[in-house]
Amino acid sequence: RKEVEQDPGPFNVPEGATVAFNCTYSNSASQSFFWYRQDCRKEPKLLMSVYSSGNEDGRFTAQLNRASQYISLLIRDSKLSDSATYLCVVNPLNSGYALNFGKGTSLLVTP
Amino acid sequence: DAGITQSPRYKITETGRQVTLMCHQTWSHSYMFWYRQDLGHGLRLIYYSAAADITDKGEVPDGYVVSRSKTENFPLTLESATRSQTSVYFCASSESGTGNSPLHFGNGTRLTVT
Repeated sequence: RKEVEQDPGPFNVPEGATVAFNCTYSNSASQSFFWYRQDCRKEPKLLMSVYSSGNEDGRFTAQLNRASQYISLLIRDSKLSDSATYLCVVNPLNSGYALNFGKGTSLLVTP
Repeated sequence: DAGITQSPRYKITETGRQVTLMCHQTWSHSYMFWYRQDLGHGLRLIYYSAAADITDKGEVPDGYVVSRSKTENFPLTLESATRSQTSVYFCASSESGTGNSPLHFGNGTRLTVT
């Protein structure tokens, strides 16, 4: 089983739509969770960390469900500029140097 | 400007040649990393370094060598390039190695081995 699994998509949504991505992880002891964004042919950039109580940053909301071992990213009022690949990243306990990256979920927001 | 820079951006080399990818950061971050990104695999850690003169293997270290004589530089060398090493290579740095610090990535080196 892969450490971190994501639906690769692509998710094609119209502008203004709400879209959600899920990511599952296999190591129940994982402690840190992140969403990174990667534009085509560019480097990944941190979008947001994911906290146990859930957290919001503008139109983006991240949730963590430890019991089911998944994290989610909700994007409200999608913009064309949100088109990118979203990488789920999990840090297993005691492994600060080996973040596990999901393969990414591709989002295309259309006019 | 502060940041992390990689060079070259693009490189084509032949099988069997040695090639070095450069990475330089100006934040004085202790931790630096080399990842490769391939279709179907996502990002995989090659080597990492916790400080100058301290390096360790990641998930896919075979065929690669690293060094870190100065905090700001972390070059990656392919000793004898193979076609399977055709990939996009990202260098990254972080303030700490606890996993809670975000990674800051360079803009990548696209390497083609013919």
